[in-house]
Amino acid sequence: EIVLTQSPGTLSLSPGERITLSCRASQSVSSYLAWYQQNLGQAPRLLIYGASSRATGIPDRFSGSGSGTDFTLTISRLEPEDSAVYYCQQYGSSPTFGQGTKVEIK
Amino acid sequence: QVQLVQSGAEVKKPGSSVKVSCKASGGTFRNYAITWVRQAPGQGLEWMGRIIPLSGTINDAQKFQGRLRITADESTSTAFMELSSLRSEDTGVYYCTSGKDTYYQYSYMDVWGKGTTVTVSS
Repeated sequence: EIVLTQSPGTLSLSPGERITLSCRASQSVSSYLAWYQQNLGQAPRLLIYGASSRATGIPDRFSGSGSGTDFTLTISRLEPEDSAVYYCQQYGSSPTFGQGTKVEIK
Repeated sequence: QVQLVQSGAEVKKPGSSVKVSCKASGGTFRNYAITWVRQAPGQGLEWMGRIIPLSGTINDAQKFQGRLRITADESTSTAFMELSSLRSEDTGVYYCTSGKDTYYQYSYMDVWGKGTTVTVSS
């Protein structure tokens, strides 16, 4: 099983700031990496797939990069509605998720 | 785009089984894979398994083998997840999702149902 490790566990920033979330895989997943946003009490929403492609309707302040074992999700200008938990998921083999990063807006 | 509507919340006794349904609309059912993901209270997401109606392919996570049954009824565009020998640790929200999996390649999950809460309690 491929283990995904996300860091940091929690981030607390102000609106307008730029944030970078990390996801590291225990072995290469090529570019088979997705990012999801989950608001409290809601189902996750797909943000990024193929490591860097934005899903339909996702604002361009969200961007993804990386390949192999190291990936990042960047939010260029934090908005209040970005307060959520963010998960990475690999689908290069039997899918697994990272443990999540909680983003709080000050 | 496909939409997924899940069945309602369930309360079950330990040792019993639960069957959750997921009805797809707005797309061609057999063109998508249906994947089940669960989330324990306050915890992260866990991939359970998938079915590809087009090929009849079913894969599930090793930890559920023997307890998990995933099926699909193409006539009603509905997928089902049945989990047996329930224990308290199975309490959580169960999501069905859709993706463009093939037999050879898993995919990301671009459409999610709203989730079904399953509570296992004596």
